[in-house]
Amino acid sequence: DQQVKQNSPSLSVQEGRISILNCDYTNSMFDYFLWYKKYPAEGPTFLISISSIKDKNEDGRFTVFLNKSAKHLSLHIVPSQPGDSAVYFCAASALRSQGNLIFGKGTKLSVKP
Amino acid sequence: NAGVTQTPKFRVLKTGQSMTLLCAQDMNHEYMYWYRQDPGMGLRLIHYSVGEGTTAKGEVPDGYNVSRLKKQNFLLGLESAAPSQTSVYFCATAGGPPGKLFFGSGTQLSVL
Repeated sequence: DQQVKQNSPSLSVQEGRISILNCDYTNSMFDYFLWYKKYPAEGPTFLISISSIKDKNEDGRFTVFLNKSAKHLSLHIVPSQPGDSAVYFCAASALRSQGNLIFGKGTKLSVKP
Repeated sequence: NAGVTQTPKFRVLKTGQSMTLLCAQDMNHEYMYWYRQDPGMGLRLIHYSVGEGTTAKGEVPDGYNVSRLKKQNFLLGLESAAPSQTSVYFCATAGGPPGKLFFGSGTQLSVL
């Protein structure tokens, strides 16, 4: 049973426009959420995170929004750039259970020039 | 600083063979993890360690063993490889929860 779901396997966006990647979760014990970015033949790299006590966190072109009542988070990239083309993984952690991350299956973002 | 280094980068095994994947970190992190990534499956936790001399099972531990004899090294062993263990294996470290991980570049393992 998937606890972290990324229902869109892929997303294509024009350069300069907004990219919105979505993630849903089922476990109400999750209290920390993260996004990782992965290029081919490389390991994932941390992008941005948000604690469950917040509803928004911003870092440059990247913003993560958390809607706890809907158990939904999203990553907004504005403006999108071709170098943003990668697979994006959503992950969640419950500190009361070791804090290990549960990952979604990923969304492949393609930003076209 | 190298960060997190995995060796080897590629390996082909025959069914039943054994091997050990090595993860080395120079970040002085307490937490270390082994994940596997399969197509369309995301990353799944195999085993993890919260400090030197400790190990614990993750989501998919069967068929694997681990050891953390030194703080900087985390070894993943396959005693009798099976085709179902064909995957990309990632090692990661963290200073502690809640979960900002630093990943190695991965090991592509094929079991024929």
